[in-house]
Amino acid sequence: ETGVTQTPRHLVMGMTNKKSLKCEQHLGHNAMYWYKQSAKKPLELMFVYNFKEQTENNSVPSRFSPECPNSSHLFLHLHTLQPEDSALYLCASSHDRGRKPLHFGNGTRLTVT
Amino acid sequence: QKEVEQNSGPLSVPEGAIASLNCTYSDRGSQSFFWYRQYSGKSPELIMFIYSNGDKEDGRFTAQLNKASQYVSLLIRDSQPSDSATYLCAVNIGDDYKLSFGAGTTVTVRA
Repeated sequence: ETGVTQTPRHLVMGMTNKKSLKCEQHLGHNAMYWYKQSAKKPLELMFVYNFKEQTENNSVPSRFSPECPNSSHLFLHLHTLQPEDSALYLCASSHDRGRKPLHFGNGTRLTVT
Repeated sequence: QKEVEQNSGPLSVPEGAIASLNCTYSDRGSQSFFWYRQYSGKSPELIMFIYSNGDKEDGRFTAQLNKASQYVSLLIRDSQPSDSATYLCAVNIGDDYKLSFGAGTTVTVRA
């Protein structure tokens, strides 16, 4: 699946670092999402953008800051993270929020040391 | 009550058998239901979606939806070792944009 591309694939960062995750979709979708997947837990919805407007912030700590400059690009800016933030971060896109299937990127495996 | 519930497994089936996975959901107003397959270390990939009550077949996969009982199931016929993965059930909950996932059922197909 190359319709949704995430970079980097792996990221190791210290708690005082600032880094960004990038997502790009080539499917012509209008909605983009960030999900967090921790071991043995369901996927957790973090943020939703529809036509580059944020429509959901699922009680995510402010150390995670999303940015959606257009319908094809989505960023997740990270700063002063905690070790418990280590997880797989998945970007997804869809035609119609919630009613149409999500197409996931390959994810970024984040480790906070 | 969790929004979407699945048995975590593992579900072990012999090659060639039928694997049956179940999912229940809490929101009676849910309209969209999806099954994703996730191999270890990989991202989820869509295998089936269903919107109406009844059965929907696609190759070796059949999704079954019963809105009155609030469950959706996935059958995998003629199971192959390549079907060994975690299967995630996803349901739209509340407003349109919220897709809630179950914790997944791990399936192991024995050769």
